[in-house]
Order: sequence, then structure tokens, then C-alpha cells
Amino acid sequence: NAGVTQTPKFQVLKTGQSMTLQCAQDMNHNSMYWYRQDPGMGLRLIYYSASEGTTDKGEVPNGYNVSRLNKREFSLRLESAAPSQTSVYFCASRDTMNTEAFFGQGTRLTVV
Amino acid sequence: KNEVEQSPQNLTAQEGEFITINCSYSVGISALHWLQQHPGGGIVSLFMLSSGKKKHGRLIATINIQEKHSSLHITASHPRDSAVYICAVNPQRGSNYKLTFGKGTLLTVNP
Repeated sequence: NAGVTQTPKFQVLKTGQSMTLQCAQDMNHNSMYWYRQDPGMGLRLIYYSASEGTTDKGEVPNGYNVSRLNKREFSLRLESAAPSQTSVYFCASRDTMNTEAFFGQGTRLTVV
Repeated sequence: KNEVEQSPQNLTAQEGEFITINCSYSVGISALHWLQQHPGGGIVSLFMLSSGKKKHGRLIATINIQEKHSSLHITASHPRDSAVYICAVNPQRGSNYKLTFGKGTLLTVNP
């Protein structure tokens, strides 16, 4: 079982470049999430999608956009990357609000 | 003040020791999660609990809803248990699709 698959695993961008982080889950989960993890800050929610067709902002949405392409896929786009977006990004999914969460392996993004 | 506080932030133990990591939270919750993250690795769910106690192998998680407190215990610790352990809660109010995370406890188990 693949679970939650994120691509790419590593990426280096120059300031101002754009990129899309891809996330797919094969568990038929309704809810999907994008988090960033920074030293000393813990996991912070960027955007989430409670169900197919809906997306909502989390704690730190500025500089990001998302698309819930279908039930399986939830992508995160950086339109104009900034050094402050250097972080480790995690995608997660779960079925309903009181079920276990499954995480991808993470994407290490460096913006220079 | 963070809604979810973990202690200690860092913990070093010798192989075989009994480990306890604590999590306190300030809001009403519907569930609490314990997660594990190995260095440079992904995040794995260990437990989700809303009452009582759960056990999986050498890991035990307990929760006291009235005291808003949970503990994660590791018996007979091993160097492969070295990881960051993260507590997360599902708040009852607001959008309960969102988890609120603690900052994690870095556990190092020496051989």
C-alpha cells in the first residue's frame, strides 16, 4: 500500500521561481492537508481540504495556493518562492475528523 | 501560550530505560494523536485515543480527559526508538478537521 505519496522529495529553487508540490493518497480519504515544519515551530497548517471540492486556509497560507484536483490529489503551489518558504513540507490525509492521520515522506524545499 | 505543550523538549536515555513523554493541552478535544518522526524521515501515526489507554508493542499511550493530559510511555527503550515524538489534538470547537500540534520531544536512546 502506497498510502500518501509526495513529490518531489527534495527541491532547490531560486527566489521568484514557481513550483508545485504534488500529493496523492490511495486510501479514499476525504480530508487532505498541507503542513510546513520549521525548527522550533512544530507543524503548521498551510491549507486543507475537508472534502473533494473544498479548500480552506490554515495558519500560514500567504504565498501558497492549493488545488484539490480530485479525491486522491491535493497540490500545493508556490507562485513566487521566497527564502522564508525554505522548509520541510508534509502532506497528510485522513478519512473523517476523528480518524488517524497519514503523512507523506515530506519535501525538503530550499529557496536561495 | 500554545494550545498543546509537550515535556520534556529533549530527552536522553540509556538503552533499556523506561521513557515517559508528556502532553498537556488547554482546549476541549475529541481525540489526541501521538506521532513519531525519525531524523530526516516522514511522520508516522502511533496512536489516536479519546479515553483510557492503548498499547502497541513496547509503546503505551494514556489520556486523562478531565486533566487535559496524555502520556506516551516506552518500555525497554532501544536506540531505534530515537526520534521526535509529536502530540497533536483534535479541538472540539472551531474547525475540527484541523489538528493542533505540539512542538515535539526529541528522544535519544544511547546503546
